[in-house]
Amino acid sequence: GAGVSQSPRYKVAKRGQDVALRCDPISGHVSLFWYQQALGQGPEFLTYFQNEAQLDKSGLPSDRFFAERPEGSVSTLKIQRTQQEDSAVYLCASSFRDAGTNTEAFFGQGTRLTVV
Amino acid sequence: GDSVTQMEGPVTLSEEAFLTINCTYTATGYPSLFWYVQYPGEGLQLLLKATKADDKGSNKGFEATYRKETTSFHLEKGSVQVSDSAVYFCALGGSGSARQLTFGSGTQLTVLP
Repeated sequence: GAGVSQSPRYKVAKRGQDVALRCDPISGHVSLFWYQQALGQGPEFLTYFQNEAQLDKSGLPSDRFFAERPEGSVSTLKIQRTQQEDSAVYLCASSFRDAGTNTEAFFGQGTRLTVV
Repeated sequence: GDSVTQMEGPVTLSEEAFLTINCTYTATGYPSLFWYVQYPGEGLQLLLKATKADDKGSNKGFEATYRKETTSFHLEKGSVQVSDSAVYFCALGGSGSARQLTFGSGTQLTVLP
């Protein structure tokens, strides 16, 4: 596709349920980021991939959060045993080269996760 | 650590009014500065950027100047339109070894006809 695609767009999970959120970056983009955006706040960094390598996962809030990008394209963010505080919009972004000062990041529309 | 502080919203203006959204930052190294915009129902889009001190980014009538001495990157537009109604995010990136963007909390702009 022409842009970053995320699915599902909306997800309602019962507390304790596991969820998997998918990101299809722009074809050929090397860098991929996941962000978490709480209501009324700016996005906060979760993790970063360069191709299939996860180079930074310092923003993952707990060991219940796990991300992978096994073939260097599609990425999945998995949240185990969801809790109410996990409710947020999860954004994926990709960029063409190794992310640096001048590299524009392209964002998907996000997945809105609601934990009930 | 790095941080971005944005003018709190929401901001409501009449069409053709002058817009300023304040943004200040704290960062190590020499970051690049960005403004992203989020229109209703859409993803974040890059509006403009500046990569070094005194650079001016501009796009769609919006401007922002990278002011290192005041650590600021205020967004301005001389005459807003209804179609500018959106949420605006100031962000910094490329500070030190970090590759991710650090965002402000966003400012909701509503322009009335």
